[in-house]
Amino acid sequence: SQTIHQWPATLVQPVGSPLSLECTVEGTSNPNLYWYRQAAGRGLQLLFYSVGIGQISSEVPQNLSASRPQDRQFILSSKKLLLSDSGFYLCAWSGFSNYGYTFGSGTRLTVV
Amino acid sequence: GNSVTQMEGPVTLSEEAFLTINCTYTATGYPSLFWYVQYPGEGLQLLLKATKADDKGSNKGFEATYRKETTSFHLEKGSVQVSDSAVYFCALSGGNQFYFGTGTSLTVIP
Repeated sequence: SQTIHQWPATLVQPVGSPLSLECTVEGTSNPNLYWYRQAAGRGLQLLFYSVGIGQISSEVPQNLSASRPQDRQFILSSKKLLLSDSGFYLCAWSGFSNYGYTFGSGTRLTVV
Repeated sequence: GNSVTQMEGPVTLSEEAFLTINCTYTATGYPSLFWYVQYPGEGLQLLLKATKADDKGSNKGFEATYRKETTSFHLEKGSVQVSDSAVYFCALSGGNQFYFGTGTSLTVIP
């Protein structure tokens, strides 16, 4: 069966520090991969999605970036965090669109 | 383009009350429709889905029917429980992306 792993679960980082969040999927190949952010009390904002290795589409210009170095690995990064980067970050994967997304358990990021 | 409009919350109900959360969509083609649930501090979980018009998705007592004529996918449950307290998201699939509503927070009080 397919599983998705996202870590860390919580993270507290100072303003200006770098960020690296990792997401891996097991049990499937060539998944579509997604990074979403959920600010407190708000809906989901699509940040990046990828349909293959090295293929990244950015939905919102900001100081975050994403990379897909391997088929089932998706990394969200920042060189310098801002206070406004605080939020709940969710990784997700999908195969065929009819099957829906499967989400990771999320990372709670607090920038202080 | 594709979009989902979801009933604003928060919604507060007493235990055993009837629940409806409205969701309407705009889409090109024939999307699949989904409801996701997010319990406090957790990621999103797929609650139910429907892949074509007139399909009814159901799970854990929740139901939603894909209505093409009204472009709607309203979520219903006949008798809510305290454990149903969560945020509910309506979504549709289009191409390589999913489009989510803004979420509706539900609180069920004993």
